[in-house]
Amino acid sequence: QQQVKQSPQSLIVQKGGISIINCAYENTAFDYFPWYQQFPGKGPALLIAIRPDVSEKKEGRFTISFNKSAKQFSLHIMDSQPGDSATYFCAAEYNDYKLSFGAGTTVTVRA
Amino acid sequence: DAGITQSPRYKITETGRQVTLMCHQTWSHSYMFWYRQDLGHGLRLIYYSAAADITDKGEVPDGYVVSRSKTENFPLTLESATRSQTSVYFCATYRGREQTQYFGPGTRLLVL
Repeated sequence: QQQVKQSPQSLIVQKGGISIINCAYENTAFDYFPWYQQFPGKGPALLIAIRPDVSEKKEGRFTISFNKSAKQFSLHIMDSQPGDSATYFCAAEYNDYKLSFGAGTTVTVRA
Repeated sequence: DAGITQSPRYKITETGRQVTLMCHQTWSHSYMFWYRQDLGHGLRLIYYSAAADITDKGEVPDGYVVSRSKTENFPLTLESATRSQTSVYFCATYRGREQTQYFGPGTRLLVL
């Protein structure tokens, strides 16, 4: 049973557009919410992360919005570039640094 | 600085055979993890280890065995491989400085 639900499964965006990926969770024991980016044939790599006491975090073109009361968080990719084409996973951390992952979103940026 | 290496990178085996996937880190991080990645499921935790000789089950441990006699190595064994264990397997360590798990390149396993 997926503890973190992620949507959409895939999305296509034009170069320069905004990509939005949403995640929701139920377990209130989660205390850290990272996003990972994965390119074909590679392992996932940390993109950006947030703690639940913060409502928003921005790093370059990537922003996490976090709504603790709704148990939802989202990733916004601004000014999407072809190099952003990858699979993105939201995750939630619980005891002993374990991660529960969403199912993933494949983002395709059209030039 | 090799980080995490996994071997083999690709493996084809038959149902019922024993298979061991190797994971080696050069950092001496305490925590190590094994995940499997399947389409539609993201990554699911199989086993993890907090230190040498300390291991525990994750979400999907059935059919797998782990050991950790040395901090740097964390092998995953499929005792009797089944077709449902066809997957991509990732090993990871926890890096406290960045507060993140760092993943290896993965092993693609096909069970016929």
